[in-house]
This record gives sequence, structure tokens and C-alpha cells, in this order.
Amino acid sequence: QQPVQSPQAVILREGEDAVINCSSSKALYSVHWYRQKHGEAPVFLMILLKGGEQKGHDKISASFNEKKQQSSLYLTASQLSYSGTYFCGTGDNYGQNFVFGPGTRLSVLP
Amino acid sequence: NAGVTQTPKFQVLKTGQSMTLQCAQDMNHEYMSWYRQDPGMGLRLIHYSVGAGITDQGEVPNGYNVSRSTTEDFPLRLLSAAPSQTSVYFCASSYSDFGGAYNSPLHFGNGTRLTVT
Repeated sequence: QQPVQSPQAVILREGEDAVINCSSSKALYSVHWYRQKHGEAPVFLMILLKGGEQKGHDKISASFNEKKQQSSLYLTASQLSYSGTYFCGTGDNYGQNFVFGPGTRLSVLP
Repeated sequence: NAGVTQTPKFQVLKTGQSMTLQCAQDMNHEYMSWYRQDPGMGLRLIHYSVGAGITDQGEVPNGYNVSRSTTEDFPLRLLSAAPSQTSVYFCASSYSDFGGAYNSPLHFGNGTRLTVT
């Protein structure tokens, strides 16, 4: 089952903040976040693991609530380059059968 | 270091034709997977593999076959193309401590844009 993401789309001005949420009806063992620009492949941003370990981008932060099976991606002081579609992804307890949420389209305007 | 290489980049097929989308990685990754992405939609998992000789179905496997004879290659076969298979196809791979992409990022190829008429 795919994770659920909210909101579907966000429009920001440069310098504003945004939060993108990801939730699952099944247990989350790890959560990945990726960004995809139009016509390109998805690019890795961050991994969050059970127990609080994080790997990834030093200018983007995220949280992982294992009990609520939710993760949130925090984009602060957004830049034009942050525009794109953000996907969360998760797999089973070994990271197999890795599926993605439907995506959140972020547009940052000057 | 090429990463994940997909060929071809573009392909047009007629309904009923068959073809193989190629995917190769040079990072010695055990975990490989295929996704399709339709306009305005997310990435849907077609098939995945946790190592040579081992494959399994994802969310949307119907109409697609895969095999994994080597660590490096993971081809996707369309046996009889249908217009519903018009999509962009991405191959991805990951280093694997546990058999999957638990704690390592997925590396994506640049995609194959397939049109079936």
C-alpha cells in the first residue's frame, strides 16, 4: 500500500517555509524523501530510520514518528531551486517492495 | 562511474509488439527495481530484485516480466505492448545491508519514455 502525502500541492514565495507530510497505514521501518524536477529522475534527499537516525541533506530537515507511522519534511527559507515534486517512500522491514507516495508539487515563486 | 544506465531513452511501439528495456548499474548494488510514472502521478513499483536469481512482483506487475541473471543487469520485458503501458519507466538500485533499500538511498536511471500506439 502506498503512503499518503499531504498537501497535494504548495505554492510559496522565496524565503517562506513549507511542511510536507507522509503517513502510512502499515508500519514504517524507514522513510525516504526524494525530489523530482520536471523531466528528470528523482533525487535522494534524506532517509529517516527507526530510533532517530537520519542520513542526507544538511539544509533540509525531517521528522519520523514511528508510533504514528508518519514523517514530515521541513523546507525552511525556501529557494527557487526547491521547486519540484517531493515523494516519500518506504518498504517492508528490510526495505524491499519499496513504494512511493503520490507526491507533493512544490512551486517557489520569486 | 556511470551509476544506473537505462536504454533506450525513447521508444515507440505498436500495440502487440514486444521489447526489452535495459537497466545496468556499476555500483555492485544487490537491490534493483523498476517503476513506472504516468503524467501527474507518482512512481509505481512494477518488479524488484534483491539479488541475482531473485525477483518479486510490486504493485503493478501485469504485462511485465523481469529476470536477474547478474548483479549488474535487470531488464524489463514487455511481451505484448498495450496503450496502457505508455509511461516513463525508471530503474533504480540501492546498496543493501538487509536485502532492500532500508537504510541506503535509491539511485535512479534517467528513464525510458515509452509510447504505445
